[in-house]
Amino acid sequence: DVKVTQSSRYLVKRTGEKVFLECVQDMDHENMFWYRQDPGLGLRLIYFSYDVKMKEKGDIPEGYSVSREKKERFSLILESASTNQTSMYLCASTTKWERLRSNQPQHFGDGTRLSIL
Amino acid sequence: DQQVKQNSPSLSVQEGRISILNCDYTNSMFDYFLWYKKYPAEGPTFLISISSIKDKNEDGRFTVFLNKSAKHLSLHIVPSQPGDSAVYFCAASVTARQLTFGSGTQLTVLP
Repeated sequence: DVKVTQSSRYLVKRTGEKVFLECVQDMDHENMFWYRQDPGLGLRLIYFSYDVKMKEKGDIPEGYSVSREKKERFSLILESASTNQTSMYLCASTTKWERLRSNQPQHFGDGTRLSIL
Repeated sequence: DQQVKQNSPSLSVQEGRISILNCDYTNSMFDYFLWYKKYPAEGPTFLISISSIKDKNEDGRFTVFLNKSAKHLSLHIVPSQPGDSAVYFCAASVTARQLTFGSGTQLTVLP
């Protein structure tokens, strides 16, 4: 069974701090994703990565960066945290694009609820 | 502009009855659609999907219908159970790449 693990369930940080959210998957998936979930807005894609050291911007990348040094690990970085980045952050992974046709959807971690004070 | 819309933020249904959750989309390039279920304090879990070459896909109590001309899909749950109470997200993608999610519908199944 696929396991996507996010390092923290809850995190409280202060405005201006540099924040690291870590995600690890154990299924050798090529693709990894970071989303944030906000009430009334659903899940919005921040960044994704389709290979080690590769990254692409999603719909809302401003204020965030990512790092993928190893295949199993994808980190989300808030360079200078602000209160509007208080949210639930969700990491997901999936196999290569072509195998998605056989109904292998994205697998999510349980999320990190981040509060910026 | 939201490309995937779930216009009903909440839905209440009696146990044993049918739950119908709706989703509309605007991007005609979407060719793969999914439904996820999310309980509080957990990540979304995949429920069911449908390719644009089909108009119906069934898995046990869950059926997804796709109406491409109306750019509309729906999820039917029959019969509804209290354990089905959760937030349901529909999602869509172009050529099975990144997903675009709707805002979610909170389903409450009343015993």
